[in-house]
Amino acid sequence: DIVMTQTPLSSPVTLGQPASISCRSSQSLVHSNGNTYLSWLQQRPGQPPRLLIYKISNRFSGVPDRFSGSGAGTNFTLKISRVEAEDVGVYYCMQGTQLCSFGQGTKLEIK
Amino acid sequence: EEQLVESGGGLVQPGGSLRLSCAASGFTLSRHWMTWVRQAPGKGLEWVANINQDGSETNYADSVKGRFIISRDNAKNSLYLQMNSLRAEDTAIYYCAESGGTRAWGQGTLVIVSS
Repeated sequence: DIVMTQTPLSSPVTLGQPASISCRSSQSLVHSNGNTYLSWLQQRPGQPPRLLIYKISNRFSGVPDRFSGSGAGTNFTLKISRVEAEDVGVYYCMQGTQLCSFGQGTKLEIK
Repeated sequence: EEQLVESGGGLVQPGGSLRLSCAASGFTLSRHWMTWVRQAPGKGLEWVANINQDGSETNYADSVKGRFIISRDNAKNSLYLQMNSLRAEDTAIYYCAESGGTRAWGQGTLVIVSS
């Protein structure tokens, strides 16, 4: 099974400042079809998960461009260029290359 | 607009059964592997099961293997999860999702297993 490890688990950020979350997989996430099924989800308090980024770096419909994803193989990063109050919540990385698994979640909060 | 809508949750006694449904609109379910994910109260996301495009291949988390059955009806653009021998630890919000993580998630349906 592929284990997903996120760091940090908690991230206090000042409004307007950047934030970064890392996700590492225990195996390469490159699928036999050449795609890498690494996604980032945002879960605001009391809400269902919301897809932000899919296949490493593709922003989903309606996602602000301050969110960006990067990485390859086993190391991936979600960056928020300027944190806004509405970004508070828990962020998960998800792999769909081999079955499915999630990181532990990173809680983003405002300082 | 693409949408997934889960239904069928509720309160059930330990040992009971429940069948969850997931209806897709705005995209063709039959083209995708599909997945059920759950989230226990205050916890993270846990993969439960997935199924390939024609339903001929299924996979389950060890925690539900032998008790849950995932299935699909492509003609109805729907996904299902039959949950048997339910335990208190199955209490969670259940979400359906496209397995590759490339589609929006639904609102989920709450399952409470309690006497």
